[in-house]
Amino acid sequence: DIQMTQSPSSLSASVGDRVTITCQASQDISNFLNWYQQKPGKAPKILIYDASNLDTGVPSRFSGSGSGTDFTFTISSLQPEDIATYYCQQYDNLPYTFGLGTKLEIK
Amino acid sequence: QVQLVQSGAEVKKPGASVKVSCKVSGHTLTELSIHWVRQAPGKGLEWMGGIDPETAKTTYAQRFEGRLIMTEDTSTDTAYMELSSLTSEDTAIYYCTTNQIGMFDSWGLGTLVIVSS
Repeated sequence: DIQMTQSPSSLSASVGDRVTITCQASQDISNFLNWYQQKPGKAPKILIYDASNLDTGVPSRFSGSGSGTDFTFTISSLQPEDIATYYCQQYDNLPYTFGLGTKLEIK
Repeated sequence: QVQLVQSGAEVKKPGASVKVSCKVSGHTLTELSIHWVRQAPGKGLEWMGGIDPETAKTTYAQRFEGRLIMTEDTSTDTAYMELSSLTSEDTAIYYCTTNQIGMFDSWGLGTLVIVSS
């Protein structure tokens, strides 16, 4: 199975800050990586697919980059409604696997 | 827009089975690839398996092989996930979700399954 190592596991930042989360795959997955946002008590929501493509309706402050084994997710200017846990997910090989998540809090 | 409506919470004893349903609206089930993802309390997301609508082939995560069955009833546009030989470690929220080339784009609200004696 492909292991997805996500860091940090938690992050505290101020409104307006630039926030970056990284995800490292245990092997080359090309750009077969997605990012999800999960708010407390809610189902996950797709934000970014194929490493860098913003899903429809997702604010442009969210972005993703990377290929191969190293990926980055960025919020350019943190907003209060961005408080959530973020997960990366690879779909290069079955089984699909997720990172352990990054819990984002407001400082 | 696809909507996925899941069945209600379940409480099961160890060793029992649970069957969770996921009714699709906005599309027909034959147009969709339904997968299941679970989340233990306070933990991350775990892919369990899914169905390819073109081949009707189901693929399960190896750790669930032998006790997980995913089925579909196209006459009612309802997908089912049945997990047997439950233990306390199966206590989780179970989500059905649509898979578009590896991207899970629509999600049900989740079904809480509690396994307790």
